[in-house]
Amino acid sequence: DTEVTQTPKHLVMGMTNKKSLKCEQHMGHRAMYWYKQKAKKPPELMFVYSYEKLSINESVPSRFSPECPNSSLLNLHLHALQPEDSALYLCASSQDTGGGYEQYFGPGTRLTVT
Amino acid sequence: GENVEQHPSTLSVQEGDSAVIKCTYSDSASNYFPWYKQELGKRPQLIIDIRSNVGEKKDQRIAVTLNKTAKHFSLHITETQPEDSAVYFCAASKASLTGANSKLTFGKGITLSVRP
Repeated sequence: DTEVTQTPKHLVMGMTNKKSLKCEQHMGHRAMYWYKQKAKKPPELMFVYSYEKLSINESVPSRFSPECPNSSLLNLHLHALQPEDSALYLCASSQDTGGGYEQYFGPGTRLTVT
Repeated sequence: GENVEQHPSTLSVQEGDSAVIKCTYSDSASNYFPWYKQELGKRPQLIIDIRSNVGEKKDQRIAVTLNKTAKHFSLHITETQPEDSAVYFCAASKASLTGANSKLTFGKGITLSVRP
């Protein structure tokens, strides 16, 4: 299984809502990532988990809260988002974080904040 | 930090022609250079990558070349087909033997259109 899955595919939420994005991989990868992607732009790194521990936080606002319950799962908890947070949220995984490893991307969650 | 430049932002070619996309990077310590293809509404997918210990790598119609001195790397697609139409992102990172965290720095992307 060389696939990263993400749920939901689409999400519409109001600025006062709390929601969560989920990501799963069963490739035995020890590194997992959250990216934000705006239309026609490259993926923008948000968080990196290495061996289930947060290793990189790219100064992301606290309204985004990542969680890694186990080596196969990655969540992104959303609270009090702003309309400018509307984007495609991509999860990715790789064998390790040491660089030089292919990152496998999930299909993404299309988030709209109203 | 690393800076990856990708030009131009769009490229249109006739089906059957070749396409070349060039990227430059700033950090001479970068040693891993992947190329991702993203079709409209789909996830980015790795199509080819190259490490700094080789100058060229080929996979069927796709090849990548690396010039470490000039700090640029290029994607070459031969015999282009309409299904090659997509956004292509180059990226760079430093592969670390110690396992230290390494980030991918992406270029801004180029939209390739293959005219039938």
